Amino acid sequence: NAGVTQTPKFRILKIGQSMTLQCTQDMNHNYMYWYRQDPGMGLKLIYYSVGAGITDKGEVPNGYNVSRSTTEDFPLRLELAAPSQTSVYFCASSTLGTSGRETQYFGPGTRLLVL
Amino acid sequence: GNSVTQMEGPVTLSEEAFLTINCTYTATGYPSLFWYVQYPGEGLQLLLKATKADDKGSNKGFEATYRKETTSFHLEKGSVQVSDSAVYFCALRNNNDMRFGAGTRLTVKP
Repeated sequence: NAGVTQTPKFRILKIGQSMTLQCTQDMNHNYMYWYRQDPGMGLKLIYYSVGAGITDKGEVPNGYNVSRSTTEDFPLRLELAAPSQTSVYFCASSTLGTSGRETQYFGPGTRLLVL
Repeated sequence: GNSVTQMEGPVTLSEEAFLTINCTYTATGYPSLFWYVQYPGEGLQLLLKATKADDKGSNKGFEATYRKETTSFHLEKGSVQVSDSAVYFCALRNNNDMRFGAGTRLTVKP
């Protein structure tokens, strides 16, 4: 298993440009999440999904959109990039294991710089 | 609302010292509580979790007990190693709302 993969690793955007951050997991997890991590801060939840076709807002959804057409993929869309969206973005997936111990996996992150 | 407050760092310890990183939370209902570890340049890894009061999560020598009466989930390890140097995040999940603390950077010196 590759686990959770994210592309690209790093991107520079100009203000007003748009882009899609890709996230794929091959573990058949139902739950997927997008977070942003600002320097010296904890992660903040942007959007999450509990299964294909179902998405919901997290703590900081403004300026972002998501879709979940398949179990594997959970892309994050920025329509009009702003400097405040400069951050490291982490995708994660999880399921509840048979032992009751939750298994959560994070991708390696995408570093985004908006100038 | 839901929130997590954890001890500010950085924390610097000598190898084999005892570690405590404090974490307290605010939540309605009965959240699940987590500790994550982040090594340089990597994503977060789940270290341990607890889902109900008095549960103890443990992994790799780290422990944390879910204390509802004090709304706390402090992380402890009896003897730290240089390889434990990382940033540690306390987090809660309450009905799919995930909240993280700001993180505590731990440096262990030989």
